[in-house]
Amino acid sequence: EVPLVESGGGLVQPGRSLRLSCTLSGFTFGDFPLTWVRQAPGKGLEWVGFIRSKAYGGTTEYAASVNGRFSISRDDSKSIAYLQMNSLKTEDTAMYYCARDLGRLDYWGPGTLVTVSS
Amino acid sequence: IQMTQSPSTLSAYVGDRVTITCRASQSISSWLAWYQQKPGKAPKLLIYKASNLESGVPSRFSGSGSGTEFTLTISSLQPDDFAAYYCQRYNNYPYTFGQGTKLEIK
Repeated sequence: EVPLVESGGGLVQPGRSLRLSCTLSGFTFGDFPLTWVRQAPGKGLEWVGFIRSKAYGGTTEYAASVNGRFSISRDDSKSIAYLQMNSLKTEDTAMYYCARDLGRLDYWGPGTLVTVSS
Repeated sequence: IQMTQSPSTLSAYVGDRVTITCRASQSISSWLAWYQQKPGKAPKLLIYKASNLESGVPSRFSGSGSGTEFTLTISSLQPDDFAAYYCQRYNNYPYTFGQGTKLEIK
């Protein structure tokens, strides 16, 4: 069983918004930080951002490429983390993964594909 | 901090010993992980803290290094090992990945 599953991807026009979800099961969601990583078609891995556990304030960090456009939040009662993506650009087209973040990323979801195109 | 991974492509035979290198632009102590990724799949953690083997990963995989230079070694390539490999530093944010090494069958 895959403990993390992403959802919410799809085709969206440039300038629009999309919200991705990352659902966890099998371990105590609230105890762990989570990271989002993306991979453009045929390219390498790019770290997008991170949210700390509530015990550490639930604060966030973002890559410069998405800072100010993307935001990460979490609802520990539902074991879900969100990646809110605003002002989307064609270069945001990628497979988006969430991962449990122990520094190393030990559990990954299968990913959800976001395509930004007119 | 930039991570430079080499080579970008590596061709080898089943049974070969191969080494992939990852260099950091400044010291990251031992805060380095290695991942394997197969086409259409999420990355899989192989090695963490430079040299620690993740549970369930075959012992033919090993990692070494500290500071700015790190290596991932596969002691005897198996058919299942032909994939892409990435290093990742996690000493601070933003995390960065190497650009990847594609390991191909010769």
